[in-house]
Amino acid sequence: GAVVSQHPSRVICKSGTSVKIECRSLDFQATTMFWYRQFPKKSLMLMATSNEGSKATYEQGVEKDKFLINHASLTLSTLTVTSAHPEDSSFYICSAYPLTSGSYNEQFFGPGTRLTVL
Amino acid sequence: KNQVEQSPQSLIILEGKNCTLQCNYTVSPFSNLRWYKQDTGRGPVSLTIMTFSENTKSNGRYTATLDADTKQSSLHITASQLSDSASYICVVTGAGSYQLTFGKGTKLSVIP
Repeated sequence: GAVVSQHPSRVICKSGTSVKIECRSLDFQATTMFWYRQFPKKSLMLMATSNEGSKATYEQGVEKDKFLINHASLTLSTLTVTSAHPEDSSFYICSAYPLTSGSYNEQFFGPGTRLTVL
Repeated sequence: KNQVEQSPQSLIILEGKNCTLQCNYTVSPFSNLRWYKQDTGRGPVSLTIMTFSENTKSNGRYTATLDADTKQSSLHITASQLSDSASYICVVTGAGSYQLTFGKGTKLSVIP
């Protein structure tokens, strides 16, 4: 159980286009999902916290108009990179926090999406 | 400031050998500590998770220890396999928080 999927796994786009990445919890409901960004050989960096039915909370330095987050249901959050530029190329990972997390408060990570902007 | 420090930064070992990775943290108040394995180009996969009352947790060839007094944890890998080559990330959650504090990871390379 506790599987999180991301789609697409890889995307290549031209500079100036927008890209949408989906994060789904497949076998549990998640009130809270998180979006991370990871540069090569670096650790995950939290971008934003996404709560179902409300606006996302962005970390300092993350442009909310650039990275649009929508958490429309208890199993789906989307990240849209608007007007993508080469510097947005990165590995984007989501995680989901189950509605009933038990004693460990565990989050479950998706497999990641590799975005390359040409 | 909450921090998680891991050592070594990278490690190369021969297949079949054991190794131990270290994690020190300053997160307070503490809720739990997890070790993740991250293969290149993949999301992190949980290996172990421990609360302050747990001193050790095993998952197959992986054994994690936690000393909440000294705020230290270790991950011991026995009889390493080529497939163990990955980054191992120590992650700490503070009490009453969803947010995770990530270490920078230890990149382990297992060679034949």
